[in-house]
Amino acid sequence: EVQLVESGGGLVQPGGSLRLSCAASGFTFSSYEMNWVRQAPGKGLEWVSYISSSGSTIYYADSVKGRFTISRDNAKNSLYLQMNSLRAEDTAVYYCARVYSGSYYADYWGQGTLVTVSS
Amino acid sequence: NFMLTQPHSVSESPGKTVTISCTGSSGSIASNYVQWYQQRPGSAPTTVIYEDNQRPSGVPDRFSGSIDSSSNSASLTISGLKTEDEADYYCQSYDSSNSWVFGGGTKLTVL
Repeated sequence: EVQLVESGGGLVQPGGSLRLSCAASGFTFSSYEMNWVRQAPGKGLEWVSYISSSGSTIYYADSVKGRFTISRDNAKNSLYLQMNSLRAEDTAVYYCARVYSGSYYADYWGQGTLVTVSS
Repeated sequence: NFMLTQPHSVSESPGKTVTISCTGSSGSIASNYVQWYQQRPGSAPTTVIYEDNQRPSGVPDRFSGSIDSSSNSASLTISGLKTEDEADYYCQSYDSSNSWVFGGGTKLTVL
């Protein structure tokens, strides 16, 4: 069974940093591209970042470029999102999502981890 | 920037058919695949339609997707509405820089 479990969320002050993790199981993690998608409270879905299966190709949304860094460790079946210079508008539930092989959609999502940026 | 626009909300009665639209801001929506996700309150999204009109296994055939190039829109149609279909629905595609783009979401009420 495919499972994606996010962790690392919490309360952080503006300007602070946080590192999210996504533990993958039930599939060959190293063969799949991955995304981070977030959802502010009461708002819609917003794509954050993409990483290829090898980690060699990375994309970011303009709203996080230069502040967030996506990475992965295929040996540990884990995906990460390092978030620096956090702002109030980064407050959201962050989901990791697996990209369906050869396509452009997410076929599995984690349950999300809440990041709250507030003083 | 490429954007996808959805109606904020739609409502319909059980047993009826409802269609949710997703309009592209520029270019041809038919150029890149469109997906549809269902999100119930407090839960992560799940896919109901991918690659314009494909249903993942386990999604009932009451759900269908289509593209209308003349209006530059994608549509999600749900027939034989059930109360369990009440949820938020998001369309998603991608732009020329491989950035994913989500529509703003549509709240479906089945009353």
